[in-house]
Amino acid sequence: QVQLQESGPGLVKPSETLSLTCTVSGGSFSSYYWSWIRQSPGKGLEWIGYIYHSGSTSINPSLKSRVTISVETSKNQVSLNLSSVTAADTAVYFCARVSSSRSLDYWGQGTLVTVSS
Amino acid sequence: DIQMTQSPSSLSASVGGRVIITCRASQSIRNYLNWYQQKPGKAPKLLIYAASSLQSGVPSRFSGSGSGTDFTLTISSLQPEDFATYYCQQSYSFPHTFGQGTKLEIK
Repeated sequence: QVQLQESGPGLVKPSETLSLTCTVSGGSFSSYYWSWIRQSPGKGLEWIGYIYHSGSTSINPSLKSRVTISVETSKNQVSLNLSSVTAADTAVYFCARVSSSRSLDYWGQGTLVTVSS
Repeated sequence: DIQMTQSPSSLSASVGGRVIITCRASQSIRNYLNWYQQKPGKAPKLLIYAASSLQSGVPSRFSGSGSGTDFTLTISSLQPEDFATYYCQQSYSFPHTFGQGTKLEIK
């Protein structure tokens, strides 16, 4: 069974960089794209971007200047860096697998990141 | 960006009832439309992909239809565990945008 687990600091100071890692177990890591999605408290879902094991990425233009998504295939991990954070970046961050139909078929449990001094 | 608009934003229904949630795209997305269910404090769960294909393990009371710009999610014979928030998502073009969600509550 495919499992995804997000990890990283739960509190980040304004103007600093948010860094999260998604560790994947089960299934074939290199056969899929892996995505990041976030959800602000009480709000809807925002697609951040995704990455293939080759390193090929697609990033939401609204975040592109601040987002880096990277992959470490040897560890079955995908990472998200979001720079220059503000309170508006406070959200639950999810990683998910992108299926062959481009849907998100497996999700991590999500991790809450709060931006506050 | 393609805008996804769901209606209604919320609705109440009874156990055993039937509900239809609609999702409209701001331009044609062919059949690249997915539906998710989210319960409080949990990650979304994929229900329907490619507009009408039922994800493995999802009960058959869930069904999806549509193509182009207009789509529906139908839940027949509502069960207590179906009361949740539902999101549509287009995966036709980047960024893969979501609808604003439809909260389904018990009447």
